[in-house]
Amino acid sequence: AAGVIQSPRHLIKEKRETATLKCYPIPRHDTVYWYQQGPGQDPQFLISFYEKMQSDKGSIPDRFSAQQFSDYHSELNMSSLELGDSALYFCATTENQGGAKNIQYFGAGTRLSVL
Amino acid sequence: GENVEQHPSTLSVQEGDSAVIKCTYSDSASNYFPWYKQELGKGPQLIIDIRSNVGEKKDQRIAVTLNKTAKHFSLHITETQPEDSAVYFCAASQTGFQKLVFGTGTRLLVSP
Repeated sequence: AAGVIQSPRHLIKEKRETATLKCYPIPRHDTVYWYQQGPGQDPQFLISFYEKMQSDKGSIPDRFSAQQFSDYHSELNMSSLELGDSALYFCATTENQGGAKNIQYFGAGTRLSVL
Repeated sequence: GENVEQHPSTLSVQEGDSAVIKCTYSDSASNYFPWYKQELGKGPQLIIDIRSNVGEKKDQRIAVTLNKTAKHFSLHITETQPEDSAVYFCAASQTGFQKLVFGTGTRLLVSP
C-alpha cells in the first residue's frame, strides 16, 4: 500500500541557511499535518492544511512557512535556521471523512541537522 | 489547550508478560484517542485507536480502554514479544481530523 513520502530523509544545514521539506500524501488524502519532534521528545504540531488552505496552526516559528499545492503535496519552508531547529520533522496525512474517524498516517520523517 | 500526560516513561518486561501504559488528558472536548508505536529512525505507526463512545477496543494482543469521566485511557499489550520493543505514544484529538496532542512517550523494552 502507498505510504506518506517525505523528502529528503536527511538534511544538513548551516545556521542562517534555509531548508525546504516536502511531503507527498497517500493517494486521495487531502489533509496534511506537520509535526516537529526534538530528541527524546514527543511530536509537536506545527501546522495543517486541508484542501490547500491552512486549517490550523500550532507552535510554528514565524521563520517557518508552509503550503499545500494543487496535487495535495505540501512543503515546509524554514529560513534563518537556528541550532534549535535540529529535529525530526514528520508530516502526516488523512482523508477528511466529514466527521467520521480520521486516521493520521505518518511519513518516515526528515531529520534536519543545523550546524 | 489540551494536555496529555503519559506514564511510565520507561517500562521493562520479560517476554510473555503484559505491559500497561496509561495516559490522562485535560480537554473534555477530546473524543479521539490513538496510540502510535515509533521504532528508531521511523515515523509513528498507528497500532490502535478508540473514540469516546466506546469504552474498550481490542485487536489481537493489544487493547485500549477509555474512561471519559476520569479523562484517562490505557494501552494493554499481552504476551509481549521482543519486537514490541519501541517507544509508544498516546495522543488526543477532538475528531482525529484535528491536530493530535501527544503524550511524552513510553519506552518499552521486552527482554527475551
